[in-house]
Amino acid sequence: SQTIHQWPATLVQPVGSPLSLECTVEGTSNPNLYWYRQAAGRGLQLLFYSVGIGQISSEVPQNLSASRPQDRQFILSSKKLLLSDSGFYLCAWSAGYYGYTFGSGTRLTVV
Amino acid sequence: SQQGEEDPQALSIQEGENATMNCSYKTSINNLQWYRQNSGRGLVHLILIRSNEREKHSGRLRVTLDTSKKSSSLLITASRAADTASYFCATARGGGAGSYQLTFGKGTKLSVIP
Repeated sequence: SQTIHQWPATLVQPVGSPLSLECTVEGTSNPNLYWYRQAAGRGLQLLFYSVGIGQISSEVPQNLSASRPQDRQFILSSKKLLLSDSGFYLCAWSAGYYGYTFGSGTRLTVV
Repeated sequence: SQQGEEDPQALSIQEGENATMNCSYKTSINNLQWYRQNSGRGLVHLILIRSNEREKHSGRLRVTLDTSKKSSSLLITASRAADTASYFCATARGGGAGSYQLTFGKGTKLSVIP
């Protein structure tokens, strides 16, 4: 069966520090991968998606970047965090026109 | 930008009652999906309805889709305290290469009182 792992679960980082969140999928090949951010009490905002290794599409220009170095690995990064980067980050995968499967999320607090 | 908009923003009902949540969207879609999120957790996919379907059932869930009105509803029958969660609708648009992107609404927070 397919599983998705996302870590860490919580993270507190100072302003100006770098960020690296990792997401890996098991049990499937060539998944479509997504990074979403959810601000407190809000809906989800699509940040990046990827249909293959090295293929990244950005939905919202911002202080973040994404990479897909391997088929089932998706990484969200920042060189210098801003206070506004705080939020709940969710990774998801899909195959074809079916529902997404989400990871358990990372709660990022920038202080 | 937010495509789906859920209504109401919050809903409180007694256990055993039915809960109805509505979703409106603006542009044409490939399909519409409903997700559930327990507090501080990831989202769980509940049901998907394609643009050429009008109604779909899954257990105690019933989803309708009216593409002429660009709206959908999610009905949870015989609610339980464990149904307490936030519910999101999401609309899918094709992105090519077999992928699609989901645009989520802000969600309806459902509280089921035992």
